[in-house]
Amino acid sequence: GAGVSQSPSNKVTEKGKDVELRCDPISGHTALYWYRQRLGQGLEFLIYFQGNSAPDKSGLPSDRFSAERTGESVSTLTIQRTQQEDSAVYLCASIPDRGNEKLFFGSGTQLSVL
Amino acid sequence: AQTVTQSQPEMSVQEAETVTLSCTYDTSENNYYLFWYKQPPSRQMILVIRQEAYKQQNATENRFSVNFQKAAKSFSLKISDSQLGDTAMYFCALWGTNAGKSTFGDGTTLTVKP
Repeated sequence: GAGVSQSPSNKVTEKGKDVELRCDPISGHTALYWYRQRLGQGLEFLIYFQGNSAPDKSGLPSDRFSAERTGESVSTLTIQRTQQEDSAVYLCASIPDRGNEKLFFGSGTQLSVL
Repeated sequence: AQTVTQSQPEMSVQEAETVTLSCTYDTSENNYYLFWYKQPPSRQMILVIRQEAYKQQNATENRFSVNFQKAAKSFSLKISDSQLGDTAMYFCALWGTNAGKSTFGDGTTLTVKP
């Protein structure tokens, strides 16, 4: 596609429920990143995928968070047993390859946990 | 480890005037890139300007320019002839080539007043 696409745009869920967020990167981009942005704050790195290499999961805040990516296509970020502190905007970004450092961002998913 | 610090949570400027946003960083890498991103209320992150650490010359993009002081690990953004459309949150970011990911500051909310 023309840009990075994220869905849903907004998600409201109840505490304790699982949620799945989707990111569709720009076609041909080998690397994909997930960031979390709490209200009024900066971007917090969660995880990144580079081709067929093992993902860098060093930013995942707890074992309730996981992400998958099939090849160089869609990625899903799953949050299990959501808590109110998980409320944030989840941004996805992709780059053509690891040597190209300019991030192309999606518009994010606003997650609200009630 | 990479750190990025933006010490100005909020700033304002009159339309047509000049404003400077501050950013300091720390990294152990020799090869890195620095960025300023703009995030309007739409949440879409937009790349404003990019600086390669090995280049001494400060980057410029139309009304946007940077003051890159490598020894001081400082990377400020100057916006000249401010426009109402410049109102947004601005993030400073550092990309470490070995790290393979960007670290972001907490952002500066800029308001341009008519």
